[in-house]
Amino acid sequence: AQSVTQLDSQVPVFEEAPVELRCNYSSSVSVYLFWYVQYPNQGLQLLLKYLSGSTLVKGINGFEAEFNKSQTSFHLRKPSVHISDTAEYFCAVTTIQGAQKLVFGQGTRLTINP
Amino acid sequence: DTAVSQTPKYLVTQMGNDKSIKCEQNLGHDTMYWYKQDSKKFLKIMFSYNNKELIINETVPNRFSPKSPDKAHLNLHINSLELGDSAVYFCASSQGKRSSYEQYFGPGTRLTVT
Repeated sequence: AQSVTQLDSQVPVFEEAPVELRCNYSSSVSVYLFWYVQYPNQGLQLLLKYLSGSTLVKGINGFEAEFNKSQTSFHLRKPSVHISDTAEYFCAVTTIQGAQKLVFGQGTRLTINP
Repeated sequence: DTAVSQTPKYLVTQMGNDKSIKCEQNLGHDTMYWYKQDSKKFLKIMFSYNNKELIINETVPNRFSPKSPDKAHLNLHINSLELGDSAVYFCASSQGKRSSYEQYFGPGTRLTVT
């Protein structure tokens, strides 16, 4: 079975500072990896996903993530954050074979301070 | 024009009651899901339907029964509600059941059982 660990439950940063949200996964088979964002009182929205190919994946709103197979990590980064990036961020994993079943991490609350 | 919509947005009810949550998507997708997000923001899949056929059924109590009258709708009926059922329930959809496909989430239904 797969599992996802998001290493930080809360990350406070100042506006225009860089940020990294950490995600590690565990799986005995090949996986796809995703980052979703949940703005207050809304559903989840896909930020980016890694399926194959280049390990550096670019997503919406200036976010990017790097897949590191040896470290089983998929950390999310943004070089300069804005107040509007305040949200809950979820890392998720699913196996390449079989029916689509996303397994989510516990979430990281990103708070941007002015 | 909402892509994935859920009704109601809020639901407050007493223990022992039976309630339903409705979900509709206008994206033309053929796969729909129900997720439960608990008070700690942990998100877990409950059910998945592809072309009205149940393809994922996690270890959910029998009191929960999904129904998919057509590809655009997936309803969730809950019998004999318990305090532990209090959560936010998210509906999602995707085009196809392959794990690489993006899932689109509804805004959620906050269920409070008193």
